[in-house]
Amino acid sequence: GQQVMQIPQYQHVQEGEDFTTYCNSSTTLSNIQWYKQRPGGHPVFLIQLVKSGEVKKQKRLTFQFGEAKKNSSLHITATQTTDVGTYFCAGIAYSGAGSYQLTFGKGTKLSVIP
Amino acid sequence: NAGVTQTPKFQVLKTGQSMTLQCAQDMNHNSMYWYRQDPGMGLRLIYYSASEGTTDKGEVPNGYNVSRLNKREFSLRLESAAPSQTSVYFCASSPTGLAYNEQFFGPGTRLTVL
Repeated sequence: GQQVMQIPQYQHVQEGEDFTTYCNSSTTLSNIQWYKQRPGGHPVFLIQLVKSGEVKKQKRLTFQFGEAKKNSSLHITATQTTDVGTYFCAGIAYSGAGSYQLTFGKGTKLSVIP
Repeated sequence: NAGVTQTPKFQVLKTGQSMTLQCAQDMNHNSMYWYRQDPGMGLRLIYYSASEGTTDKGEVPNGYNVSRLNKREFSLRLESAAPSQTSVYFCASSPTGLAYNEQFFGPGTRLTVL
């Protein structure tokens, strides 16, 4: 079945440093989504990437979708304490007969040291 | 709009007891989902309902049943709870199916089975 690997599992950074999490799928994806979950909270949608090689920016966050649509990354520039949380990618792949399968990565937990 | 609501927020069960987790959304979404989240395991799909009147198994359906009561409500039932079902359960909804639709998550139910 479809597998989505996300690395690293944990990342501790000093406030102001950059942060990157990577997502790799075992199969070609139709699209990929990114979610953020604050401690004790629920996942909240950040963005969706659909096109091969797509790059999208949201303020200090940059999202990329690989050319082969099998990998993606989230980069945060100059982290702030408000960036603390776990970042999940979710890969969506066509599974046949008009159906799609969504698989979440295990997430990267970001800690920011003030 | 309340978005996605879940009840209860917390629950403690003894092994063998049964219970139903309730979920409702007021966004007129067609599709609804149940996930479980365990430490280090990310989010795993238990069951989903692409539209009213349909339900399908996800990645980890064993030990669970679901009911799509109407367009707004999607319940998850544990017939005979086991300690392995200790987890945080999230309900989510999306306008239509998994493809190209962001999911909106509820606040979660923290379930402990003793």
